[in-house]
Amino acid sequence: GENVEQHPSTLSVQEGDSAVIKCTYSDSASNYFPWYKQELGKRPQLIIDIRSNVGEKKDQRIAVTLNKTAKHFSLHITETQPEDSAVYFCAASKNTGGFKTIFGAGTRLFVKA
Amino acid sequence: DVKVTQSSRYLVKRTGEKVFLECVQDMDHENMFWYRQDPGLGLRLIYFSYDVKMKEKGDIPEGYSVSREKKERFSLILESASTNQTSMYLCASATARNEQFFGPGTRLTVL
Repeated sequence: GENVEQHPSTLSVQEGDSAVIKCTYSDSASNYFPWYKQELGKRPQLIIDIRSNVGEKKDQRIAVTLNKTAKHFSLHITETQPEDSAVYFCAASKNTGGFKTIFGAGTRLFVKA
Repeated sequence: DVKVTQSSRYLVKRTGEKVFLECVQDMDHENMFWYRQDPGLGLRLIYFSYDVKMKEKGDIPEGYSVSREKKERFSLILESASTNQTSMYLCASATARNEQFFGPGTRLTVL
C-alpha cells in the first residue's frame, strides 16, 4: 500500500546548526508534499509545501527539496532556534476526487540552547 | 482566519458504546479529513470527504464511519467503541490546494 517513511525519528541539534529531515514515498501519483510542525500540546500547522512541478522551495530559514525520480523529499532548517523544537511531519498527497494524504511518523526535533 | 473546531477536547467512553466526534469549519472548504494520532505512528487517515455526502476511506477505516450532511460539518462515528480506539483524533479542513488546517483534537479514552 501507499506509505511515507520519515527519518530520523529523533534529531537533536545545537542552536544555530542546521537540521535535515528526510522522507520517501511510495505512490508515484503523489503530487503535493506538505510539512507540518506540531508543538507540544498543540495542533499541527502547515509550515511549507512543495508541488511536483518544483524541485526546491525556500521560505526564510526553511527549505524543502523534492526528487520525484527517487520519490524523496527533505526539509532543511538553517540557523535553528529553541522555538524550532517540535515534532515535524512530512506528507504525500494525490488528488483522487478528494485529497488522499499520507503522513510520515514524525521527527521530534530538539534544539539545545 | 480559518477556524476548525471539534466538539470535545476530552472524552471517556465505555467499550461497546457508540461515539460521535464532530468537526466544524467556517471557511466553506469542500475537503475535510479525520485522522488519529498515536505515538510513533504519526497521523493516520481514517476517512476523508470532498463534498457533502461524499466520503472516501483512508488507511484505517475499520471500526469507523463518517457523515457529511452539511458542508461545514464532518462527523466521525465509532459504532461500538473498543479499547484499541483509545487515541487522539484530529479533524482537518483543506483549501482547494489541499492546505490543511487542523482542529484542536479530541483525546478519546475507551475503558
